[in-house]
Amino acid sequence: DIQMTQSPSSLSASVGDRVTITCRASQSIVNYLNWYQQKPGKAPKLLIYSASNLQSGVPSRFSGSGSGTDFSLTISSLQPEDFATYYCQQSYNSPMFTFGPGTKVDLK
Amino acid sequence: EVQLVESGGGLVQPGGSLRLSCVVSGFTVNSNYMNWVRQAPGQGLEWVSIIHSGGATYYPDSVKGRFTISRDNSKNTVFLQMDSLRAEDTAVYYCAREAKNSFDYWGQGILVTVSS
Repeated sequence: DIQMTQSPSSLSASVGDRVTITCRASQSIVNYLNWYQQKPGKAPKLLIYSASNLQSGVPSRFSGSGSGTDFSLTISSLQPEDFATYYCQQSYNSPMFTFGPGTKVDLK
Repeated sequence: EVQLVESGGGLVQPGGSLRLSCVVSGFTVNSNYMNWVRQAPGQGLEWVSIIHSGGATYYPDSVKGRFTISRDNSKNTVFLQMDSLRAEDTAVYYCAREAKNSFDYWGQGILVTVSS
């Protein structure tokens, strides 16, 4: 099984801050890495697919990078609506998908 | 407009069964890969099952042999039959479509509670 880790597990930031979340896979997953945003009581929302492709309708302040085992999600200027939990997901081992444990972004 | 609407959740005793439904509008389930993902209270996301457009199904070890995913093309609906339920199956269950190796559309989720 491919294990996914994320760091940090939580972070506090202010509106306007640049925020970076990292995700690491236990083996190379090439670029089969997706990022989701989840707000309390809501379903996850796809932000980035295939490591760096912005899903339609997602603001351009979100970006993804990385390949192999190390990936990152960056929010260039944090907005009030971005306070949420972010999950990475590997699809290299499809259909055995695995998610990272999540990173909670809250207000400093 | 794409919509996925889950139903069928509720309280069930350990060892019991439940069948979840996911009614889809905006695309056809038999032309897509459809998944179930769950989230235990306060926890992260866990993939639970997938049905491919060709009908092949897959499960993680945690539910294999107990859960069965299926679909009814005439109703454009995906099901998750859950048998031999355990307390650790307590979660919100989401259906989701896979496209471009990612889950692009999700339902609102339905709560399943396994407790005596």
